[in-house]
Amino acid sequence: DAKTTQPPSMDCAEGRAANLPCNHSTISGNEYVYWYRQIHSQGPQYIIHGLKNNETNEMASLIITEDRKSSTLILPHATLRDTAVYYCIVRGGGSNYKLTFGKGTLLTVNP
Amino acid sequence: EAGVAQSPRYKIIEKRQSVAFWCNPISGHATLYWYQQILGQGPKLLIQFQNNGVVDDSQLPKDRFSAERLKGVDSTLKIQPAKLEDSAVYLCASSLLGRGGMDYGYTFGSGTRLTVV
Repeated sequence: DAKTTQPPSMDCAEGRAANLPCNHSTISGNEYVYWYRQIHSQGPQYIIHGLKNNETNEMASLIITEDRKSSTLILPHATLRDTAVYYCIVRGGGSNYKLTFGKGTLLTVNP
Repeated sequence: EAGVAQSPRYKIIEKRQSVAFWCNPISGHATLYWYQQILGQGPKLLIQFQNNGVVDDSQLPKDRFSAERLKGVDSTLKIQPAKLEDSAVYLCASSLLGRGGMDYGYTFGSGTRLTVV
């Protein structure tokens, strides 16, 4: 699976959009970009995933560049409860492909 | 739907003792994973099951760790004997591959926090 690079930490003001970047320059054509987050003392939570098109769900939007070498997770209106470690993961499709976690980005939403 | 259930929530043991963790995945999820998360790090995959068969156990320290999923439903992870460096949160996750290959992502349990003293 391709490796990813994320900033170790970011801050965001409550109510503003949080934009979390991820670089995955070695991604291959059949690999998806997944985002998970982990709130303190909980297991990771699935947020969103995509292949090459931008995706949106009730939690977030995922913007993938045309060359697929980077992506951005957008939380449109961050709340204090969005404070968590956010993991960007690249993996093949299907349930038999494992998720390999890096250190992620600690997003702190400030009041 | 009910989530992934794990027990116990916390466990403290002395080094060289044995310990077991239990996981009940979401009903119908064929794939089950055990992860180890050391403080300050991302989760690391220990073992992956597809139904009751092992798909990947390349990072499982097999001299002391074992896992089973006998009936393809719930699973146990055992450590015998435990070492100080086994102190971590042990996370169980399950996943479902839907029709047409639609991937709904992993669902994780809350984990078991193990402290080895």
